[in-house]
This record gives sequence, C-alpha cells and structure tokens, in this order.
Amino acid sequence: EADIYQTPRYLVIGTGKKITLECSQTMGHDKMYWYQQDPGMELHLIHYSYGVNSTEKGDLSSESTVSRIRTEHFPLTLESARPSHTSQYLCASSPTLSTDTQYFGPGTRLTVL
Amino acid sequence: GENVEQHPSTLSVQEGDSAVIKCTYSDSASNYFPWYKQELGKRPQLIIDIRSNVGEKKDQRIAVTLNKTAKHFSLHITETQPEDSAVYFCAASKIGGFKTIFGAGTRLFVKA
Repeated sequence: EADIYQTPRYLVIGTGKKITLECSQTMGHDKMYWYQQDPGMELHLIHYSYGVNSTEKGDLSSESTVSRIRTEHFPLTLESARPSHTSQYLCASSPTLSTDTQYFGPGTRLTVL
Repeated sequence: GENVEQHPSTLSVQEGDSAVIKCTYSDSASNYFPWYKQELGKRPQLIIDIRSNVGEKKDQRIAVTLNKTAKHFSLHITETQPEDSAVYFCAASKIGGFKTIFGAGTRLFVKA
C-alpha cells in the first residue's frame, strides 16, 4: 500500500547523543518535508527537499541535517540531542505537479533526557 | 516573509451548531489552499482544498470559501458532531512550488 512511514515511532535518549529519524514513502513523490510539532500545536518546518540531491533549510534547521540520496528516503539527523529537542517530528511528502497536498507520516515522538 | 494567520486559536461549539475558522495569507502568488484536520495523537490529514480559480467548494458538511482580493479563506463546518473535535490547520502554497505555509491551528471542541 502506498504510504509514508517513520521509524522509530518513539525514542528516549540522553543529552549529547546523535540520532537519525527515518522517513520513507512509497508514493513516488518528489517533494518531502520534516516538521517539528509539539502535540496539537503549530507545525514548524525544519527541512525540505524537492528531489534527489536537493535539500533546503526551513525555520528550525540549524541543529539538524538531512539527506536525499533516494527519492523514497529522507532521513533527519540530530548531531547532538538536547532536552529542547523533545517534541514530535512529522515527515511529509507531496507530488510535484497538479496539487500540493501534503501526506504526513505517523510521526516520531522524541524525548531527550 | 510569507505568512498565514489563522483565527480563532480555540473554538468551542455545541453539537449541531456551525463552526467557522478564518485564515489570511500574505503571498498573492499563492494558488492552493488546503485544510488539514489533526485528531488527538494522529497525523494531519487533508479534509478539503480549494484552488484560486474557484470561490467556494463544498463536501457534505464542510465547505471552504476563498476571497482572492482580500486574501482570505475560511472553513465552514455545519451540523457539528463530537467527532469533529480536532485541531484544524489552514495552509497556502503555489502549486508546483516548494513550500507550504501553515496557519498556527485552531483547536475545535464540539460539546455533546
């Protein structure tokens, strides 16, 4: 079934650890996004990509990096996790033409102790 | 910069009443205006959208209106039900562009 997947769904780690949040989509979408969202609150764009080997920074990008080596895969890396990174991270994808509808993954809930 | 303002931030209605959420966008080049519903603990999902060449669109109990001149668009929910309780996000973008700008969200409570 065409969908967008995120792993892990929940993660508890200590301060200073390096972590990678995985996102994969099987819909063949060119555009992919990472958002940070506290439960039920505003969506903050962290990074986005409009195709392989293209990545752009969003509003909250300074403490994380992304890569887009394959169309279906868009991992997010935090080099040194801090308690302020505790939040939910949502990955999304969107087709390039005809519509800009965003399809969201189930999210990763991150807790940094 | 590009901005979407959304009001109100919280809305409480009685079951059966109507609910209206309003958004204003700043980028006049925007031509696609989706609305997403996020239930507690779940991912945002598209419920309705409208393009700039249309003034109104309806899907059963929900409708969206667009005023391009004023750069306003609104979500209307009629005959609200408890399952309509959720956070609703408006958004604006340019089809074929790269970024979608989201509003800050409206938390809707429907009281039974």
